[in-house]
Amino acid sequence: QKEVEQDPGPLSVPEGAIVSLNCTYSNSAFQYFMWYRQYSRKGPELLMYTYSSGNKEDGRFTAQVDKSSKYISLFIRDSQPSDSATYLCATTTTTNSGGSNYKLTFGKGTLLTVNP
Amino acid sequence: ETGVTQTPRHLVMGMTNKKSLKCEQHLGHNAMYWYKQSAKKPLELMFVYNFKEQTENNSVPSRFSPECPNSSHLFLHLHTLQPEDSALYLCASSQDYGRGGTDTQYFGPGTRLTVL
Repeated sequence: QKEVEQDPGPLSVPEGAIVSLNCTYSNSAFQYFMWYRQYSRKGPELLMYTYSSGNKEDGRFTAQVDKSSKYISLFIRDSQPSDSATYLCATTTTTNSGGSNYKLTFGKGTLLTVNP
Repeated sequence: ETGVTQTPRHLVMGMTNKKSLKCEQHLGHNAMYWYKQSAKKPLELMFVYNFKEQTENNSVPSRFSPECPNSSHLFLHLHTLQPEDSALYLCASSQDYGRGGTDTQYFGPGTRLTVL
């Protein structure tokens, strides 16, 4: 079983739609959960990050983590053509002492297209 | 220049060539990373340097040789590569290493490598 599973899509929606992007993970030790956005011919950029379970909202974006079901979601409200990109979920464990236990584990990414 | 820059942006090389990828970060960070991004696969961490010292080698074949002369520069030396090594090679940096999700990684635009 892969550590982080993410449907690669592609996902195509009309402008203004609510978009739901999801990942599942297998390692119950994962504590930090991130969403990265990667535009074509660019490197990934951090969009949102959450610690443990719960919701986090930033403008039109909401990140949700359910540790009991090992499920990570990103919701985009009022989607815009400029949201068209690949969205990567990522997660990590951490130790207070740092060191080699820290590594970001990524999903494959979901390619999203928002059509005007 | 701001953020993380990578050169060249595109590279085509034969299996017997030797080439180098360069990464420079202008963020004053202490940790730098090399990732490999292949089509239909998750981002794979290759190497981590923290304060110029290599702290992670994710079982990368020896035909990839990293070098970190200072905290701002990172190189990836390539020799006798295979066609399956064709991918997007991403460099990233973060303020520190080992603090888990609180270490936001900033990515460069990547070098698109094709091995013939």
